[in-house]
Amino acid sequence: GQNIDQPTEMTATEGAIVQINCTYQTSGFNGLFWYQQHAGEAPTFLSYNVLDGLEEKGRFSSFLSRSKGYSYLLLKELQMKDSASYLCVGTGGYNKLIFGAGTRLAVHP
Amino acid sequence: EPEVTQTPSHQVTQMGQEVILRCVPISNHLYFYWYRQILGQKVEFLVSFYNNEISEKSEIFDDQFSVERPDGSNFTLKIRSTKLEDSAMYFCASSEARASGGELFFGEGSRLTVL
Repeated sequence: GQNIDQPTEMTATEGAIVQINCTYQTSGFNGLFWYQQHAGEAPTFLSYNVLDGLEEKGRFSSFLSRSKGYSYLLLKELQMKDSASYLCVGTGGYNKLIFGAGTRLAVHP
Repeated sequence: EPEVTQTPSHQVTQMGQEVILRCVPISNHLYFYWYRQILGQKVEFLVSFYNNEISEKSEIFDDQFSVERPDGSNFTLKIRSTKLEDSAMYFCASSEARASGGELFFGEGSRLTVL
């Protein structure tokens, strides 16, 4: 089956670091993605992990452990504009993404 | 920067009517997709399209739905006989490689309201 779990909501302070966790069970694993979605807007790509380990990209990093079915997104030096939903996305097939329900992050001054 | 464009941005229709949502994918992309998001819910896969045919579709994508690439630039989603539960934001996306291999670029969405 296909199942992606992530916390519903998180809050953090501007300038801080936040880690958003995700556990997944998807058939035909081909990688794990993180997308950002601001309210009322389209999802935008943040990161892609296909091998175990940490991928760093500026203020954002993503980690994957395939044996544990676990990933996290790490956001550093939080800014107010980082307030958004963060979507953990698995691969459900050759050409299909399976989206988690998203973690709504609120960044406060 | 190239982008995926969708029209209309918002469409209101009566139950039972047919709706066509239009998308212009990024020009050098080969893979095209439709996803939908019911208000407050997760993004759901509908269909992927490659080499002028459907490559995968979800259980949601039943006979009521169809996709077409009528020319070299447009990619359309047709919903026949709309139902109230079809009300959602419909996102078109495109990619250079298959979805499991890289980034999808999403359009801004077409909000469909069925009354």
